[in-house]
Amino acid sequence: DSGVTQTPKHLITATGQRVTLRCSPRSGDLSVYWYQQSLDQGLQFLIQYYNGEERAKGNILERFSAQQFPDLHSELNLSSLELGDSALYFCASSFRDGPYEQYFGPGTRLTVT
Amino acid sequence: GENVEQHPSTLSVQEGDSAVIKCTYSDSASNYFPWYKQELGKRPQLIIDIRSNVGEKKDQRIAVTLNKTAKHFSLHITETQPEDSAVYFCAASDPNDYKLSFGAGTTVTVRA
Repeated sequence: DSGVTQTPKHLITATGQRVTLRCSPRSGDLSVYWYQQSLDQGLQFLIQYYNGEERAKGNILERFSAQQFPDLHSELNLSSLELGDSALYFCASSFRDGPYEQYFGPGTRLTVT
Repeated sequence: GENVEQHPSTLSVQEGDSAVIKCTYSDSASNYFPWYKQELGKRPQLIIDIRSNVGEKKDQRIAVTLNKTAKHFSLHITETQPEDSAVYFCAASDPNDYKLSFGAGTTVTVRA
C-alpha cells in the first residue's frame, strides 16, 4: 500500500458524459501527478499540482481539467467522454516539487461505452 | 520534452537466471531515473531509482546502472523468481518540471 488513495476503483459511463476522479496523496506529500495508462499509449503524464497550484501540463485534452484543494486532495474532471478515453487513470504523489520519488495510487479504471 | 525508449518489450527467463532491461533517454539534463514494477491490474510500484550523481545502485537482487555520457540506464534482476514476473517501466524525470516520462514497458516472464 503506497498510502495514496483513489476513488472510485471502477467507473462505467456513456459517451458524452462527465466524470470526476478523486485522489488523496500520502500524508505530508504536497505534489500530485495524474497519469493515463492505455494499452496503445502506455503511461502518459497529464498534469501536476503542487500545494494547490498547477505546476506542469502534459498532453492533457481540453476536455480534461484538474484541481488540487486546500486539504491537498485532487480531482480530475473528464467531460464529453469518448470511447478512446477508456483507460486506467493513476495519480501519484511526492513530498515536494522536484525529482523525488512518486508513489502511485491504485488507479481508477474508466470504461466509456 | 524527454523521450524514453525501453528494450526489450518482452523478456522470458528461466527461474534463477538474470534479467536485464535497458532504457535510453534524450534530455542530458535529466537527473532522476526510477524503475516501476506493475502487476496486472495493479498500480506501478517503485522498486528502485537512481540519480545522476551515482553510477550504480543495488537493493538485494535488483540493481540499476546509469551511463550519463551515453544517456542510458539499465535494470538488472539476479536470481529471478516467479514473483518477479510483471511489467517493468523505466522513467526519466524532466529537469524542468519533474514529470516522469515512461518507457513503453517490458513484460518479464520467469519460467519455473
